[in-house]
Amino acid sequence: RKEVEQDPGPFNVPEGATVAFNCTYSNSASQSFFWYRQDCRKEPKLLMSVYSSGNEDGRFTAQLNRASQYISLLIRDSKLSDSATYLCVVTQTGANNLFFGTGTRLTVIP
Amino acid sequence: GAVVSQHPSRVICKSGTSVKIECRSLDFQATTMFWYRQFPKQSLMLMATSNEGSKATYEQGVEKDKFLINHASLTLSTLTVTSAHPEDSSFYICSAHPSGVAGFAYEQYFGPGTRLTVT
Repeated sequence: RKEVEQDPGPFNVPEGATVAFNCTYSNSASQSFFWYRQDCRKEPKLLMSVYSSGNEDGRFTAQLNRASQYISLLIRDSKLSDSATYLCVVTQTGANNLFFGTGTRLTVIP
Repeated sequence: GAVVSQHPSRVICKSGTSVKIECRSLDFQATTMFWYRQFPKQSLMLMATSNEGSKATYEQGVEKDKFLINHASLTLSTLTVTSAHPEDSSFYICSAHPSGVAGFAYEQYFGPGTRLTVT
């Protein structure tokens, strides 16, 4: 079973739309949670951390449900520049590395 | 912000040859660096953790004799793919963790990646 699972998409949405991505993780001992963004053939870049209380950064809102082992990312008022692959990432207690999901591909259409 | 470089950005080599990839932290020291591999439409998978001055720690299934890692200074780690074969073709990405900063996950900076094609 994969550590982190995501719907690969693709999600094709018009500009201005709201889109949500979900992610589940298998290890209940997972400690920290993040959303990264990866553009085609580029390295991943941290988009935002995810906290149990939920957190918002501009048009982006992230939620964590520890009981269900589920993380979400909501993007409001989608822009063309939001087109990318969004990676759900977790860390585990005692491990130094990041566990990446396969990513969800988003394309925002004019 | 912290910058990590990788060189080369792209390499094409013949089967059986060895390829060295460099990962440098340009404006900070990194005791720990990580090497990841990403096949098309798949996750980034950790290959190994590189520690300055000591042996790398390899993940299960990664051959340490095939993927040689050297972390001889606080700003440089190298990954050498020895006797490369077409199945080693992939996107190799390093990340670096600044020395003296607690919490690996919060402070990892990724290099731009190296695309390896073995013909």
